[in-house]
Amino acid sequence: GNSVTQMEGPVTLSEEAFLTINCTYTATGYPSLFWYVQYPGEGLQLLLKATKADDKGSNKGFEATYRKETTSFHLEKGSVQVSDSAVYFCALRNGFQKLVFGTGTRLLVSP
Amino acid sequence: EAGVVQSPRYKIIEKKQPVAFWCNPISGHNTLYWYRQNLGQGPELLIRYENEEAVDDSQLPKDRFSAERLKGVDSTLKIQPAELGDSAVYLCASSPGQQETQYFGPGTRLLVL
Repeated sequence: GNSVTQMEGPVTLSEEAFLTINCTYTATGYPSLFWYVQYPGEGLQLLLKATKADDKGSNKGFEATYRKETTSFHLEKGSVQVSDSAVYFCALRNGFQKLVFGTGTRLLVSP
Repeated sequence: EAGVVQSPRYKIIEKKQPVAFWCNPISGHNTLYWYRQNLGQGPELLIRYENEEAVDDSQLPKDRFSAERLKGVDSTLKIQPAELGDSAVYLCASSPGQQETQYFGPGTRLLVL
């Protein structure tokens, strides 16, 4: 079946540090891949997405590249801010099937 | 534009009691989803509506859970009777159509004692 595996958190960084949150997936065919972010007390928000191999999704300084050869969709940001502290979820959708989420990775950024 | 509205935000009940959650999706969104998010986990789909029709309820525990979306707008998710294992955050989301971006509400945090 379809599944997503994320690195466990929390990830603790200082402001302006480089961020990587690993995500790998298992699916047949060519799923669409997503990163959602959940700020404290708020609902999940779509951060970025990619719908085919080698696509790069980007938003708010975050980037992720759809790598079919390694079945990965790692989230990166060159310089994190305190306001980026949140829980990040990797997810996939295979065709018309449901969204499948990973377990989430908490990011804590200190000044 | 208003986002997805959910109420209540928090609910504490004793086991075997009934509980209901309400969701008002973004105006014009035909597709509505209910998810359950257990502590430390990602959301898992319970049911999906296309307008007023439940088109995917395979993950809904039908012995105690029920949902409705009258008139294809607001939706209610009910649990009766609640069990300790039902403690979780219940999320509602909506999208213009099935394959389009889902917008999530803030969720209802349920604690069953």
